[in-house]
Amino acid sequence: KAGVTQTPRYLIKTRGQQVTLSCSPISGHRSVSWYQQTPGQGLQFLFEYFSETQRNKGNFPGRFSGRQFSNSRSEMNVSTLELGDSALYLCASSPTGGRVGEKLFFGSGTQLSVL
Amino acid sequence: QQQVKQSPQSLIVQKGGISIINCAYENTAFDYFPWYQQFPGKGPALLIAIRPDVSEKKEGRFTISFNKSAKQFSLHIMDSQPGDSATYFCAASRTSGTYKYIFGTGTRLKVLA
Repeated sequence: KAGVTQTPRYLIKTRGQQVTLSCSPISGHRSVSWYQQTPGQGLQFLFEYFSETQRNKGNFPGRFSGRQFSNSRSEMNVSTLELGDSALYLCASSPTGGRVGEKLFFGSGTQLSVL
Repeated sequence: QQQVKQSPQSLIVQKGGISIINCAYENTAFDYFPWYQQFPGKGPALLIAIRPDVSEKKEGRFTISFNKSAKQFSLHIMDSQPGDSATYFCAASRTSGTYKYIFGTGTRLKVLA
């Protein structure tokens, strides 16, 4: 089985621009979560989607949004980029996202740099 | 109440030594505690996990110790190897309703050859 695929691998943007990141989960996985990773802050939960519905949301401003398509692929959008948005954005998939102990499978991430 | 505090931030251990990483949580509703390992350029991968009904879980050289009353859990890496050099994240989640993981801030481990 192919793993979680995130594209693009690297992105450089300037302040004020917007960006869209893509995540293809493992085949058969219906839950997709997004995390922001920064040095010193660790992994911070952005949101989780299941069957095209946002099921959970972290404490991020409304500039961060996402969606999930019927094939479980997910996109994350950040509008009006700020310097502080520079981070590694990780996507994780799991079969249902609703069972305790269900393993998260992470992609390699998209490294976003905002200049 | 949603935080998971992890220490140390970085750790250097000699080959063959024991690496110990600690985590503490506040929310007693958490009932699943995994550890994830992340190598440079890769996403985190599940290493080992524990439920609060046991005090210890061992998988090879990796052991989780869990202290429910103190709301603390730790990862012990015995006979640490240079290949263990990575960033380690503890996490906590709860089963009530749909759950999400709360991750610690990470520990960068370097094992010297």
